[in-house]
Amino acid sequence: AQKVTQAQTEISVVEKEDVTLDCVYETRDTTYYLFWYKQPPSGELVFLIRRNSFDEQNEISGRYSWNFQKSTSSFNFTITASQVVDSAVYFCALSGMNSGYSTLTFGKGTMLLVSP
Amino acid sequence: KAGVTQTPRYLIKTRGQQVTLSCSPISGHRSVSWYQQTPGQGLQFLFEYFSETQRNKGNFPGRFSGRQFSNSRSEMNVSTLELGDSALYLCASSFSSGDSPEAFFGQGTRLTVV
Repeated sequence: AQKVTQAQTEISVVEKEDVTLDCVYETRDTTYYLFWYKQPPSGELVFLIRRNSFDEQNEISGRYSWNFQKSTSSFNFTITASQVVDSAVYFCALSGMNSGYSTLTFGKGTMLLVSP
Repeated sequence: KAGVTQTPRYLIKTRGQQVTLSCSPISGHRSVSWYQQTPGQGLQFLFEYFSETQRNKGNFPGRFSGRQFSNSRSEMNVSTLELGDSALYLCASSFSSGDSPEAFFGQGTRLTVV
């Protein structure tokens, strides 16, 4: 069985602070994918990034960066210089070869509130 | 390129009724998945359709069913509605390949059962 744990239920920061959202996963698949999604109040889940299990390169995209560490089964997400528009619920998700790449197991989400 | 479209956006139904939700995937995507989101259980996978066939199914009762048409559009049906079925129902489409497994979601249908 697959499992995704986002231990932080809610994080509050002031604009321009850096914030890291934690994600720990469990899977028996040797080939799997990890994802981050953002859910603003409108409800739509917005795809942010995907990582393959065999690619541990960290990635930076503008103010966003992701740290994938297989040794600790973690896939953390950092927002640098946060902005009010970053306020949303962020979900980490996992899919694997055995369960089907289209079958996502989500964490419970982390609500990020950025105050001006 | 148009995104995933779900209709209707909002629904209010009475216990015992049935409901049908619709999802139009991104052009070219053959996989459509459905998820239920509630405050208590979070995001839970319902089922996935690929080329008109149900390929995967989550742990939901048989009252939840779906289908996919030849143009990849999908519908989800819930019969004999219960209060606990009140949720945001999200549809996602993808190429579902090893090269491009990411799913893209619609805005969801918010179902309220009274």
